[in-house]
Amino acid sequence: AQSVTQPDIHITVSEGASLELRCNYSYGATPYLFWYVQSPGQGLQLLLKYFSGDTLVQGIKGFEAEFKRSQSSFNLRKPSVHWSDAAEYFCAVGGVNYGGSQGNLIFGKGTKLSVKP
Amino acid sequence: GAVVSQHPSRVICKSGTSVKIECRSLDFQATTMFWYRQFPKQSLMLMATSNEGSKATYEQGVEKDKFLINHASLTLSTLTVTSAHPEDSSFYICSVRGPFFGQGTRLTVV
Repeated sequence: AQSVTQPDIHITVSEGASLELRCNYSYGATPYLFWYVQSPGQGLQLLLKYFSGDTLVQGIKGFEAEFKRSQSSFNLRKPSVHWSDAAEYFCAVGGVNYGGSQGNLIFGKGTKLSVKP
Repeated sequence: GAVVSQHPSRVICKSGTSVKIECRSLDFQATTMFWYRQFPKQSLMLMATSNEGSKATYEQGVEKDKFLINHASLTLSTLTVTSAHPEDSSFYICSVRGPFFGQGTRLTVV
């Protein structure tokens, strides 16, 4: 079955430190991969997405993610975290079996990021 | 990215009443929209696919008579929670192709 695993429920990093949020997926075909950020009580903002091509994807707010097919991973990274990055981060997978980029996604359970001053 | 407007952002209703949530695609025509539900501190689960001009497609376990979806135009889909109960309290969020999400609606049934 298709699934997304975010192993870390909660991560705390110091402001200015680097960040890596892990995401592993299970999908039978070429996946479409997404990272979203959600602030409390708010909707989801798309940080970046991967459909094909270069496996290192640049997103908004200084985030990037790398698709590693051999590891079924799509980890999110940021070289220097800002206090405003504190939020919930969701990894999601879609694909041709799920309407492609139409929007039928399977989400991970999310990783809450806290930032220490 | 696409601009998706969802209204209301918060609603409190009495048990037994119905609540309508609107999802609008502001800058392109969306033949398909998706409705998700998010329980507190949980992930998002797809409830249904809203298709313009035809019936919605519901995910397994979602009661189609409780969660009525109407997609009457290319820019508007509505989700009506009928005869709401406290267990329907949740965060409901829609999306369009991208996918891009609306701001979500916090429903509290008292």
